[in-house]
Parts: sequence; structure tokens; C-alpha cells
Amino acid sequence: NAGVTQTPKFQVLKTGQSMTLQCAQDMNHNSMYWYRQDPGMGLRLIYYSASEGTTDKGEVPNGYNVSRLNKREFSLRLESAAPSQTSVYFCASSGGNNQPQHFGDGTRLSIL
Amino acid sequence: GQQLNQSPQSMFIQEGEDVSMNCTSSSIFNTWLWYKQDPGEGPVLLIALYKAGELTSNGRLTAQFGITRKDSFLNISASIPSDVGIYFCAGRQLNAGGTSYGKLTFGQGTILTVHP
Repeated sequence: NAGVTQTPKFQVLKTGQSMTLQCAQDMNHNSMYWYRQDPGMGLRLIYYSASEGTTDKGEVPNGYNVSRLNKREFSLRLESAAPSQTSVYFCASSGGNNQPQHFGDGTRLSIL
Repeated sequence: GQQLNQSPQSMFIQEGEDVSMNCTSSSIFNTWLWYKQDPGEGPVLLIALYKAGELTSNGRLTAQFGITRKDSFLNISASIPSDVGIYFCAGRQLNAGGTSYGKLTFGQGTILTVHP
């Protein structure tokens, strides 16, 4: 029972490099989300996808792009990584408008 | 964006003690959720609350949706060492169209340490 799977678990990048974080869910959920978690700031929404074929900006979208590849997969791309994007990134999914979100185990990203 | 004020920021307690933490906001929320995060893992849902005044239990955990819809609290009774972790509240609002697309606003978290 995998739930939400994120890859990679860890990554170190140099400033200016690009990177795609992958997320897949096997719960047949319609909605998917990308968050970043920084110390003392809880989780902040970067982008979300309410349903397959749609994506929208969250609270902190600058410097990121997303692709809802199909119902299962939602990827997050950093085109030109910056040290301020060093963070732990979480993907989540939910079954509908008022359903709880279920989270993956995160990707720990360091940008030097 | 909207913010949730979660308190306390951290707690150090002895095994067996009860714990209480809360979240408040200046805005109304339609759903309150409580999550726990263990080191190196993602948040795991503990309790979901959908109605003002609702009181829901999950084992030793009890959470309530405030009557004003602007707050929620979580209690843990008879704490044990495995309760250690970060606890997050999260709230969901509906937009003008009556939908939210599931978007959540998170509190800053409460770090719980339990001494055996």
C-alpha cells in the first residue's frame, strides 16, 4: 500500500542547475499538491492540481513549474535552482474537495 | 495568505502527562485537520473535523472544532515516548464559488518531546 511516493529522497544541486521532483499516488485521487517545509514555517503550498489537466499557483510559486502528467503523477520542476530553494518538498493528494490530504515522505533538496 | 497561529511552539513533558495544543485564526475555516510528522517522514493525518463544535477522538487523541470556526485544539492523554514528533494543525476554507480544491493552510507546528 504505497500511497504517495516521491523521488528522489535526497538531492544536492549547484546554483543554476535544473531538477524535476517526481510524485505518484496510487489512491485514484483527483487532487495533488506540492509543498515546501522550512524550519518554523510549517508547510507552504507551491502549486496544486485540482484535477487531471489543471494546475494552479499556491502561496509560493515563484521559481517553480509543475506538470500533471496524468491522474497518478504530478511533477515539480526547478528550472534554475537558487539557494533559497533549499528545503524539504512534500507532495500530497486528496480524493476530493473536502477530503483530507495524504503526504509522501518528502524530498530533501540542498542547493549550494 | 491566511495564517494559523499554533501554540505552543514546543513542549517538554514527562511520560504519562496530558498534552494540549491549539490553533487560532482571524478567519473562519470549514474544516480542521490535525497531522503528526515524525523525523524524516511526511505528515500523517490524525483527526479530521468537519463541523463547528465537533469533538472527535482517535485513541488517546481528542480534537475539537471550535464553535466560532476560528480555532481548534488537540489533546493527547497519558503521553508515551512514541508521541514525540511535530504536530500540525491545518484548516480549509471555501472560496466564493463554494469550493476549495482541497487547499490547506498550515500552522507552524508544535514540537513535542516526551521524557521517559
